[in-house]
Parts: sequence; structure tokens; C-alpha cells
Amino acid sequence: DIQMTQSPSTLSASVGDRVTITCRASQSISGWLAWYQQKPGKAPKLLIYKASSLERGVPSRFSGSGSGTEFTLTISSLQPDDFATYYCQQYSLAWTFGQGTKVEIK
Amino acid sequence: QVQLVESGGGVVQPGRSLRLSCAASGFTFSTYSMHWVRQAPGKGLEWVAVISNDGGIEYYADSAKGRFTISRDNSKNTLFMEVNSLRSEDTAVYFCARETSGALPRYFDYWGQGTLVTVSS
Repeated sequence: DIQMTQSPSTLSASVGDRVTITCRASQSISGWLAWYQQKPGKAPKLLIYKASSLERGVPSRFSGSGSGTEFTLTISSLQPDDFATYYCQQYSLAWTFGQGTKVEIK
Repeated sequence: QVQLVESGGGVVQPGRSLRLSCAASGFTFSTYSMHWVRQAPGKGLEWVAVISNDGGIEYYADSAKGRFTISRDNSKNTLFMEVNSLRSEDTAVYFCARETSGALPRYFDYWGQGTLVTVSS
């Protein structure tokens, strides 16, 4: 099984900050990585697929990069609507999620 | 627009069984593989199972093998998950999710709002 590890688990930031979340895979997954945003009591929402492709309708302040085993999600200028939990997901071999990164208000 | 609506959750005693449903609309259900993902209270997302568009292929996470059965009725645009011998650790919100179409490998593009299963005596 492929394990996904996100860091940090919690991130405190202010509106306007640049935020970066890291996701590491236990083995190479090429670029087969997605990022989802989840707000309390809501379904996850797809943000990015294939490591760096922005899902239609997602603001351009979200970006993804990486390949192989190390990936990042960056929010260029944090907005009030962005306070949420973010999950990476590998889909190279079955499907596995990272444990999540909660972005909270500083 | 794509809609996925789960139902069937509730409070269930340990050892009992439960069948969850996911009603799909807004797309051609029979052409998409579908998944179940669960989330224990305050925890992360855990992939549970997938079923191919025609129901011919099923695949389960190790934690779901033996007690979970995924199925679908394409004539009713509905996905199911049957869980037997429920345990306290099965307490979670259960989401259904649509797998993308097109080239492999695929990820999830739409999710339902989830249904809460609480296993408690």
C-alpha cells in the first residue's frame, strides 16, 4: 500500500499570507496526485489533479507542484474562504489520502 | 448539475448490518465508476471501496474486505454499500464519490454530502 504523509498537521495563518502544504508518498506515484479542500460538515471539494492541474472553477491562487514522492499545495494569498482542511490523495495505485492539514486563523 | 445524495445512516447496534444508498442525478450514472469513502469523527478520509460502471469489478480497502459489499443498480441510478457485523470503529460519515471519466488513472470529481453511521449499543 502507498502511504501519504502531509505536513504540517495544523497551520496558523492570516488573510493574505502565502501558505504551503507538503505531501509525501511512500513510493513514487509519478504525478498522480490530487488535492481536496474540506470544510466542517461538508463534502471534500476537488482543487487540483495530476499534481498541478487546476480544477475548473477553482481560484488561481491555488497551485500544486511536485512529482515522484514529494508534492506541495500553495495558496498564494490566503482568503477568508480558504480556512479549511486540505487533503492530498494518490491515485497511482488504488487510492490513499493524507491525514489532512487544517489551515486555521492565526 | 451532478448530485450525489447519501442515505441510510443512523444509530446501529454492534454486530448488526446496514445498507447505505447514494442516489445519483445530473449525469449518466451507468458510465462512471463509483466509490465509498468514510471519515471517522474528527479524523481524515479513508477510501473504502470502488465499483466499475457496469458493476462487474469491485475492489476494497484491506479494512473493508469481508464485511463490506459495494453494489449498484444502474436502472435506478443508485449506489449501495452493505456493511455487516458492524463495529464501533465503523462509526463514520460515509461519502459516495464519482470517479472521473477518461484516461486512467482516475481521481474523484464529485462527492455527496455524506451519511453518518454511529455504531453504539
